[in-house]
Amino acid sequence: SQQGEEDPQALSIQEGENATMNCSYKTSINNLQWYRQNSGRGLVHLILIRSNEREKHSGRLRVTLDTSKKSSSLLITASRAADTASYFCAMDSGGGADGLTFGKGTHLIIQP
Amino acid sequence: NAGVMQNPRHLVRRRGQEARLRCSPMKGHSHVYWYRQLPEEGLKFMVYLQKENIIDESGMPKERFSAEFPKEGPSILRIQQVVRGDSAAYFCASSPRWGNPEKLFFGSGTQLSVL
Repeated sequence: SQQGEEDPQALSIQEGENATMNCSYKTSINNLQWYRQNSGRGLVHLILIRSNEREKHSGRLRVTLDTSKKSSSLLITASRAADTASYFCAMDSGGGADGLTFGKGTHLIIQP
Repeated sequence: NAGVMQNPRHLVRRRGQEARLRCSPMKGHSHVYWYRQLPEEGLKFMVYLQKENIIDESGMPKERFSAEFPKEGPSILRIQQVVRGDSAAYFCASSPRWGNPEKLFFGSGTQLSVL
């Protein structure tokens, strides 16, 4: 079954530095998405990368996808205190009926 | 345009009671997903519904849990005879079309605490 795993589980950096989070998965995907969750809140969609794409940008976010290694990375550049949150990768494996499969998340802390 | 609305935000129940969690999807969305999140864990899929239809309930426990999405009104996740292990955050998400949802819109969740 599809399962995602983020690495690291937790990351603490200084404001202004770049943050990189990784996600590995097991089975083939149609697309991979990254979501952010602030404490006590629902998830917010950040970016989607399709299986035929290798890299995608959105503002300070950069996502890469390596389907041969079944892995993805999320880079947040010039981090801000407001970026403090948990970040989850989510895999869409097709078949559709069961929505997305989420990893356990990376908890990112940006220290001012 | 209101987002996905869940209520209540917090629900406290004693063991053996029933819990009812409500979710109103975004306007124009007819597909609803329920997920459960335990502390320090990712979201686990429970059930996917369309109006008046359960499409996939493969993530639902076989007993005590049920879900519906009637023609009128919100989607309801119902947990009968709650136990302490049911304590978790329950999130609802909606999308405008079937399968390959591309993007899910989440509510703020209901935190269920079972005493």
